Amino acid sequence: DGGITQSPKYLFRKEGQNVTLSCEQNLNHDAMYWYRQDPGQGLRLIYYSQIVNDFQKGDIAEGYSVSREKKESFPLTVTSAQKNPTAFYLCASRARGWSNQPQHFGDGTRLSIL
Amino acid sequence: AQKITQTQPGMFVQEKEAVTLDCTYDTSDPSYGLFWYKQPSSGEMIFLIYQGSYDQQNATEGRYSLNFQKARKSANLVISASQLGDSAMYFCAMGAWGSGNTPLVFGKGTRLSVIA
Repeated sequence: DGGITQSPKYLFRKEGQNVTLSCEQNLNHDAMYWYRQDPGQGLRLIYYSQIVNDFQKGDIAEGYSVSREKKESFPLTVTSAQKNPTAFYLCASRARGWSNQPQHFGDGTRLSIL
Repeated sequence: AQKITQTQPGMFVQEKEAVTLDCTYDTSDPSYGLFWYKQPSSGEMIFLIYQGSYDQQNATEGRYSLNFQKARKSANLVISASQLGDSAMYFCAMGAWGSGNTPLVFGKGTRLSVIA
């Protein structure tokens, strides 16, 4: 089945540590996105990529980094510069074309500070 | 810039009743699409329904329908015959037409609780 796989489901970070969240899709979608969701809140855009080897900052990019070396993969690194990383992280992808294409989401990664 | 406003932080509905979740939007784009997603407590985002700005008829998908009023810039989600499994967060989102790869803009969501 086609879809988006995020791993791990739960992740714990120590102070001063960088951690990487994985996002893989087999939908052949050009665009991929990372969102952060805090408890009881909406989705805030961290980074997005419209094509391989290119990405743009979203609204809350500080303390995060991404890469897009392959169409299928869009990993997110939460760096030690992100002082409040505890949140639910959602990865999404979307097909190129008309705006009626919805974003498809993975099941998310819950990140907590140890 | 695009903006989505969901003014109802929480809603309660009796099982088997209908409920309307409000969504208003603001955009300078002449063509755009509106989306609704459901997020159960497990966290995944489930796409429910889509409405294009030039669609003549309101969208429907099973028990979900969209009450689209373009002049008022509103795209309210109507859930008919509510079920206990409908209890979740609901997000309204929009994207510009012809920009299939740019991110959708999301509202803050409405938490719906269905009461038996």
